[in-house]
Order: sequence, then structure tokens, then C-alpha cells
Amino acid sequence: DAGVIQSPRHEVTEMGQEVTLRCKPISGHNSLFWYRQTMMRGLELLIYFNNNVPIDDSGMPEDRFSAKMPNASFSTLKIQPSEPRDSAVYFCASSYAHWNTEAFFGQGTRLTVV
Amino acid sequence: GNSVTQMEGPVTLSEEAFLTINCTYTATGYPSLFWYVQYPGEGLQLLLKATKADDKGSNKGFEATYRKETTSFHLEKGSVQVSDSAVYFCALPLGDSSYKLIFGSGTRLLVRP
Repeated sequence: DAGVIQSPRHEVTEMGQEVTLRCKPISGHNSLFWYRQTMMRGLELLIYFNNNVPIDDSGMPEDRFSAKMPNASFSTLKIQPSEPRDSAVYFCASSYAHWNTEAFFGQGTRLTVV
Repeated sequence: GNSVTQMEGPVTLSEEAFLTINCTYTATGYPSLFWYVQYPGEGLQLLLKATKADDKGSNKGFEATYRKETTSFHLEKGSVQVSDSAVYFCALPLGDSSYKLIFGSGTRLLVRP
């Protein structure tokens, strides 16, 4: 398996623009997570899906952020409008939903909002 | 829910030195415990895990033992290499039967030649 695939790897956008980050989880995994990593806050869980259904979005910072999982092999995280404080590395991770299994991470999308 | 605390970094060592990165947790029940590693410019990778008390996880020369008595899962390596320079994260599920992992703040390790 190719692992968790995220695109793009790098994104530079202007403040106010819409940004869409994409993720393809590992085939057969039924849990998907979006994390944000910054120097100030470390690794934060934004949202997690189980069987394509959002279970917990309490980590989504505000209404400008939205996430979807239309099917088992694809998820998006959208920021509209983007702001400079959204600059971070965004990771997608997937796992087989079991209490003692690990999550597998993608390589991340480095987002810079100028 | 469960929580995890790990030592702050950075930790700077010379090559072939002994490494310990401390991790302690609070949890209901006996969740699995994980160490993840993040190399520069990459995502997190699972380094090792332990699923029950007294289990020892090991990989790439790293070891960690699940200590129920001290609620600890310290990461150790007998002889570090420059290539071990990375950020290390301790993690555990948020609660019993929870699919959500919570991560420590990360400890940066820098190994000098």
C-alpha cells in the first residue's frame, strides 16, 4: 500500500482565499483524522471520521474550517477564507478503528497564508 | 479522558550516547501506548508500541516498557546515531475503546557527530 497520501505537499495562498487540502487514507482503514501542527500549539486534532461520518469536530478552530469525507477513500479539509494564523502543517492520518491500533500519517501539507 | 506528559526538549547528545526520553500518562484502564517519531519534513511514523502492562515495545534499537506501577513509558536507546535526530511523541488513546490518539508535546532530539 502507498500509505496515506496528501496533496498538495506545499500550498502558499493569499489571505482571504479558499484553500482545500486533500487526503486519501489507506485502503481498508475506516477511521480518518485531520491534525494541525504548529510550533506554538504542537499537534492538535481537528476532526475525526469513522466510517465516513464525522464523529468529533470539537477541535475545528472556527466556522472557516470544514471537512468532508464523501467516501472511504477521500477526504478534504477546507479553509474559507484563509488567514495568516492558519499557516501550519496539516496532517491526515488513518487507522483501522480498533482500540489498540496505531494511526498512519501522511507526509502533511505545509500551508502558508500570506 | 486520558492524558500524557513528556519531557521537554531539546535533548542534545553526542553520537553513541545513551538516550532516555521520559513519558508519563494518566489513564482509566490499560490503554495501548505508542511512541511516534517525526523526521524533518515528514509526517509521524509509529516507532513502537505496547498493548498491556509490562510489555516492552522495540524497534530500530529503541525500547520502551509499559510500567503500570509508575504510569510511565520511557523511550530508551543504548547508542544513538546522528540519523536518530528527530522529534519523538508519546501517545495513547483518549479513553477506553477510543479511536482518538492524544499526543504529548514532542521532544526534539539532536545527535551530534
